[in-house]
Amino acid sequence: GESVGLHLPTLSVQEGDNSIINCAYSNSASDYFIWYKQESGKGPQFIIDIRSNMDKRQGQRVTVLLNKTVKHLSLQIAATQPGDSAVYFCAETIQGAQKLVFGQGTRLTINP
Amino acid sequence: GAVVSQHPSRVICKSGTSVKIECRSLDFQATTMFWYRQFPKQSLMLMATSNEGSKATYEQGVEKDKFLINHASLTLSTLTVTSAHPEDSSFYICSATGPGQGRGGYTFGSGTRLTVV
Repeated sequence: GESVGLHLPTLSVQEGDNSIINCAYSNSASDYFIWYKQESGKGPQFIIDIRSNMDKRQGQRVTVLLNKTVKHLSLQIAATQPGDSAVYFCAETIQGAQKLVFGQGTRLTINP
Repeated sequence: GAVVSQHPSRVICKSGTSVKIECRSLDFQATTMFWYRQFPKQSLMLMATSNEGSKATYEQGVEKDKFLINHASLTLSTLTVTSAHPEDSSFYICSATGPGQGRGGYTFGSGTRLTVV
């Protein structure tokens, strides 16, 4: 869903541990979801995507889970590394529309 | 892979002046471009969607006369912030989509940090 005027929640994880970042969306017509990583002063970088006809998708060290019943999306990062420290956003498109709407975002900090 | 070049990366301007930000797709045809604004510690807020050769569609609350968007070619879109004020200071990011896109279907520029003094 859209976030306006909200500050980013934060998550701290020890290096090597797994992390889970959550995202809630509000529109049941959302049909495509993307997770992005944004480093300070840069544009968003694609991580992984999932369509609404899927529940799970895996990439290299990342897994996205989609629960349409409760409109919830999560990003799991395995064996976190210092380079994983960034802000992570979920984004969605709504059926029939091209525009990509961003969720609130979470700042992930990996502690050495 | 698909690349979008955004320029300038940083700009400082005086209140009342106008600033133009360019977004170029380097290796694909950007049939649709999007402009976002991001305030510190906040998410990206979609400002407008532009299709090549058409007028931009602005999101609710975004002043079309203040944020002029031009998408005259398949490789270039510009955002002009007119009569800038300090509250317009923000991070502006463009995104493009079109045939031959890579993963996710949307390619983002590296952003422009606008500071109005």
